[in-house]
Amino acid sequence: RKEVEQDPGPFNVPEGATVAFNCTYSNSASQSFFWYRQDCRKEPKLLMSVYSSGNEDGRFTAQLNRASQYISLLIRDSKLSDSATYLCVVTTGGFKTIFGAGTRLFVKA
Amino acid sequence: GAVVSQHPSRVICKSGTSVKIECRSLDFQATTMFWYRQFPKQSLMLMATSNEGSKATYEQGVEKDKFLINHASLTLSTLTVTSAHPEDSSFYICSARSRGGSLYEQYFGPGTRLTVT
Repeated sequence: RKEVEQDPGPFNVPEGATVAFNCTYSNSASQSFFWYRQDCRKEPKLLMSVYSSGNEDGRFTAQLNRASQYISLLIRDSKLSDSATYLCVVTTGGFKTIFGAGTRLFVKA
Repeated sequence: GAVVSQHPSRVICKSGTSVKIECRSLDFQATTMFWYRQFPKQSLMLMATSNEGSKATYEQGVEKDKFLINHASLTLSTLTVTSAHPEDSSFYICSARSRGGSLYEQYFGPGTRLTVT
């Protein structure tokens, strides 16, 4: 079983749609959680951190469920510019960072 | 946010030659730098972690004699791919963690696309 698993997609949605991505992690001792965005042939960029209390930044909402070892990212009112690969990232003790394989999103006009 | 640069952004070399990639933190001191490799449509794979002034820690399966890492200062780390072969062709990305910043946030360089012919 992979340490961090994501649905690879692709998700094809129309502009204005709401889309949700899920991610599960296997190490219950994991300490920090992030969502990164990666555009084609570019480096990953931090989108937001994920907290148990939930974290909202504009159209983006991230949630963490430690009991289920599950992280989610919700994008509301999708824009064409949201098209990218979204990476779930988990940091374990010792600061080891593990990337999920990513979920590809295509937003169409 | 913190800025990390990489040079070169793209390199094509012949099989058997060595290639050096530089990673610099431009506006902060990076106590720890990470080197990743990403093959097409795959996730980033951590190759090694380097702390300034000490030897790099390599992930399992990564040959330390082939991928030489030097972290000589708080703003510069280099990765040298020695005797490169076509299977080393990949997207190499460095990231840095800043001193005094969150222990878990990393700032990525723009990556170096290596093609070995």
